[in-house]
Amino acid sequence: DVKVTQSSRYLVKRTGEKVFLECVQDMDHENMFWYRQDPGLGLRLIYFSYDVKMKEKGDIPEGYSVSREKKERFSLILESASTNQTSMYLCASSRIMNTEAFFGQGTRLTVV
Amino acid sequence: QKEVEQNSGPLSVPEGAIASLNCTYSDRGSQSFFWYRQYSGKSPELIMFIYSNGDKEDGRFTAQLNKASQYVSLLIRDSQPSDSATYLCAVNTNAGKSTFGDGTTLTVKP
Repeated sequence: DVKVTQSSRYLVKRTGEKVFLECVQDMDHENMFWYRQDPGLGLRLIYFSYDVKMKEKGDIPEGYSVSREKKERFSLILESASTNQTSMYLCASSRIMNTEAFFGQGTRLTVV
Repeated sequence: QKEVEQNSGPLSVPEGAIASLNCTYSDRGSQSFFWYRQYSGKSPELIMFIYSNGDKEDGRFTAQLNKASQYVSLLIRDSQPSDSATYLCAVNTNAGKSTFGDGTTLTVKP
């Protein structure tokens, strides 16, 4: 079974802090994705990566950056957390483009 | 116009009925289409995928795709209370980017 593991289930951070969300997948997938999910707004793509050290902006990249130094790990960075970044963050991976995505368990981030 | 739109719901059906979930998309270059199920407090999980026009059946689930009309649907036959969840339509473009609809919440009443 594919496993996508996010480092934290719940996080509480202060406004202005630098926040790291980590995601690891164990199936040698090429592609990894970061989404945020908000009530009434659905799943929105923040960034994705189709190879090590490669990244592409999604629909809402502002205020975020990513890092993919190793194939299995994709990190989402909030450079200076703000309250409007309070959300559920979901990491996903897929073997190749246009195949199904496997999701991690999600990180519920609260910025106070 | 949103790139992927789903019937807003919530949708409520009695146990044993057919639930019909609909999704339209705007990008004619879209290549692949997915239905995910998300239980409350859980992550999305794949139910069906479809790449070609027509119907694809898997047990009680049927996905239907009409690229000319830019429409994809999911039918759930003999609905069960365990089918109660939010159903997400996802559309992949040629670049591999997945765009999700907002989801339709389905409740199956015993």
